[in-house]
Amino acid sequence: NAGVTQTPKFQVLKTGQSMTLQCAQDMNHNSMYWYRQDPGMGLRLIYYSASEGTTDKGEVPNGYNVSRLNKREFSLRLESAAPSQTSVYFCASSEEGSASFLPYEQYFGPGTRLTVT
Amino acid sequence: AQSVTQLDSHVSVSEGTPVLLRCNYSSSYSPSLFWYVQHPNKGLQLLLKYTSAATLVKGINGFEAEFKKSETSFHLTKPSAHMSDAAEYFCVVSAYSGAGSYQLTFGKGTKLSVIP
Repeated sequence: NAGVTQTPKFQVLKTGQSMTLQCAQDMNHNSMYWYRQDPGMGLRLIYYSASEGTTDKGEVPNGYNVSRLNKREFSLRLESAAPSQTSVYFCASSEEGSASFLPYEQYFGPGTRLTVT
Repeated sequence: AQSVTQLDSHVSVSEGTPVLLRCNYSSSYSPSLFWYVQHPNKGLQLLLKYTSAATLVKGINGFEAEFKKSETSFHLTKPSAHMSDAAEYFCVVSAYSGAGSYQLTFGKGTKLSVIP
């Protein structure tokens, strides 16, 4: 049981390049999330998906797109990378779904460290 | 709207002494509150959570937190610090965002150093 996995672990991009960050979970969770972590800022939500086929914007969605490919996988795409997107990106998942009344624990992946030059 | 304020960006304690990491929150509704820990170059791990049951919540590794509605606080404590407790700690408040999903709002983190 691997939990939440993310690829790649590290990436360096030049300004204007595109890339996709991959995330997969094997816990049969309904909800999945993408966060970015910047020094002194905590984690900020980029996008989330409450169930397969649905996605919604979080606090900082500009410059990103997401795809919930199936229940297991949730990818984050940077179409034209900018230096301001240099950050550590975390994917998370939780059991929450349409029948939830209380928030469940979110399980986090190990992160992707992205540098845009 | 909801928010979280972690009152100290850095706390330093000696091994074997008590730990206190302070957190204040703001929420329109009865909040659910969490503490997560992040060890260097790792993902985040849940320490404990409060969801309107007992106000004193016990977590893993000897940590506990007390929900005080009158003070809008959720401070994290541990009686005796261990070297392995050195990490960054995040206080988090949760709000329902529709369709069965919750959004977490993170504090900016408190870095705990433990001196041998």
